[in-house]
Amino acid sequence: DGGITQSPKYLFRKEGQNVTLSCEQNLNHDAMYWYRQDPGQGLRLIYYSQIVNDFQKGDIAEGYSVSREKKESFPLTVTSAQKNPTAFYLCASSTASHHDDSPDTQYFGPGTRLTVL
Amino acid sequence: AQTVTQSQPEMSVQEAETVTLSCTYDTSESNYYLFWYKQPPSRQMILVIRQEAYKQQNATENRFSVNFQKAAKSFSLKISDSQLGDTAMYFCAFPTSGSRLTFGEGTQLTVNP
Repeated sequence: DGGITQSPKYLFRKEGQNVTLSCEQNLNHDAMYWYRQDPGQGLRLIYYSQIVNDFQKGDIAEGYSVSREKKESFPLTVTSAQKNPTAFYLCASSTASHHDDSPDTQYFGPGTRLTVL
Repeated sequence: AQTVTQSQPEMSVQEAETVTLSCTYDTSESNYYLFWYKQPPSRQMILVIRQEAYKQQNATENRFSVNFQKAAKSFSLKISDSQLGDTAMYFCAFPTSGSRLTFGEGTQLTVNP
């Protein structure tokens, strides 16, 4: 089945450690996104990528890094510079094509819950 | 600046009744799409419905429909025959630059038996 997978579902990190969250999609989508969600709040964009080997900062990129070496994969690293990383992280993808019949429709993975101990 | 506003942090409805969630947005674009997403307790974000701004006809997906008022920049979601499984956080979303989406703060809907 086509879809977006995120792993792990739960992740615990000690202060000062870097951790990497995985996001993989087999929808053949060009664009991928990372969002952060804090309790009772909406989604905030961390990074996004519209094409392989290229990505742009979102609204809250400080303390995070990404790579896009393959179309299917868009891992997010939460670095020790991120002061308050405990949150729910959602990955999404879209066709990013204005010729598609559903342009810009983003489809989401199940999320990763990161807790800093 | 392009913004999305959901003015109802929480709403409740009795099972089988109808409820409407509101969303307003601000844009200078003339052609765009609008989206409603649902986030149940599992926290998976699920697309509920999308509306194309250049279409005058309101979008409908089974029990879900929108009331799109382009001039007023209003995009409300109507849920008919509410079911317990509709209990979730609902987010209105609007594309900004490129393929980015801006999300509202969400409305927590509770369906009571």
